[in-house]
Formats: sequence, structure tokens, C-alpha cells
Amino acid sequence: DAGVIQSPRHEVTEMGQEVTLRCKPISGHDYLFWYRQTMMRGLELLIYFNNNVPIDDSGMPEDRFSAKMPNASFSTLKIQPSEPRDSAVYFCASRARQGSGNTIYFGEGSWLTVV
Amino acid sequence: GDSVTQMEGPVTLSEEAFLTINCTYTATGYPSLFWYVQYPGEGLQLLLKATKADDKGSNKGFEATYRKETTSFHLEKGSVQVSDSAVYFCALSDVNFGNEKLTFGTGTRLTIIP
Repeated sequence: DAGVIQSPRHEVTEMGQEVTLRCKPISGHDYLFWYRQTMMRGLELLIYFNNNVPIDDSGMPEDRFSAKMPNASFSTLKIQPSEPRDSAVYFCASRARQGSGNTIYFGEGSWLTVV
Repeated sequence: GDSVTQMEGPVTLSEEAFLTINCTYTATGYPSLFWYVQYPGEGLQLLLKATKADDKGSNKGFEATYRKETTSFHLEKGSVQVSDSAVYFCALSDVNFGNEKLTFGTGTRLTIIP
């Protein structure tokens, strides 16, 4: 079974540009999470969805960040305009509604550098 | 709210040494507990988990026991290898109390010297 798939794996962009990160969760999983990892702040939850509906977006840093989940197999995290302080690794993760001991499975991350 | 406190790093050990990374938690209910590992340049992988008190999770020679009385989930390995060098994260989720997300500790960087 395929794991959580993220793209792009690496992106370097200039300040002010729009960045779109993509995620395909594990088939059948009802929950999707976006996390950000930085040296200063560690792993932070940005937003999570249940059945494609955003449940908690309190971790989204500011209005420049937006996330969507148009269907059960796809989600995007968009940053517009991007700033150097957005440089981080962005992880998508998913979990089944029941069973599996509440395990959350992570993708390999999108490594973003804003210059 | 829920929180995880993890042993500060970095930790440097010689190959075949005994490893302990301490983890304690605070939670409203009865959370599930996890250890994730992140190898250099890679994403997070589930290492082991325990879903109720006194459960022991184990994988790849690593073990951790869910201790409700001490609210702890310490990670141990009897003989570490160079390939164990990575960052280790302790985490909890408490879905029964509406906390669907994983709450992470700060991570402990482990380096094993040959």
C-alpha cells in the first residue's frame, strides 16, 4: 500500500512568489494533517482535516497560508506571498478514523527554501 | 493542554552502548503514545507505539513501556548501532478526548560513534 505522497520534495523560490505544496494521503484515511518543522520551533501542527473538512486551523501562521482539501485523495498548502522565514520542512500526514492505534503516517516532506 | 517533555539532546554514544531517552507526558485522558524517528534528510517514521497503560511497544531492538503512574514512555535499546543515528521524537494523541492530532516533544538527536 502506498504511503503519504508529497510533492515537490524540494523547492527553492524567491521571496514574494507563490508556493503550492501537494499531498496525497493514504487511501481510506479520514484525517489529513499539515505539520511544519523548523530548527527554532520544532514540529508544529498547521491545520488538520476530517473527511475533507478543516477542523482546526489555529496553527496556520497568518493569512499568507491557506490549505484546501477538495477531495479525499488530495490536499494543498499554499503560501502567498512567500517570505524567507517560511523556509522549513512541511509534512503531510494521514490517519484512519478507527483502528491502527491512532497511528499517524507521515510523508517524506517538502523541503522549502525561500531566498 | 496535552504536552510532551523529552530529554534534551544531543546524545552521543559509542556503538554497542545502552540507550535511554526519557519522555514524560501530560494529558487530560488516556492517550496513545508514540516514538517516531527521523533519519538525516528524511521524513518521520513510526518506530513504536503503545495504546494503553503497561503496554510495551517494540521494534528494531527498541522498546518503550507505557507507565501511567509516572506518566512516562522512555525509549531504550540494549546495544546501539551507527545506523541508529537519527532524531527521535516522543509524541501522544488523545482521540478519546477530542485531540486528534499528535503532540510532539522537541526531539532528541542521537549520534552513535563507531
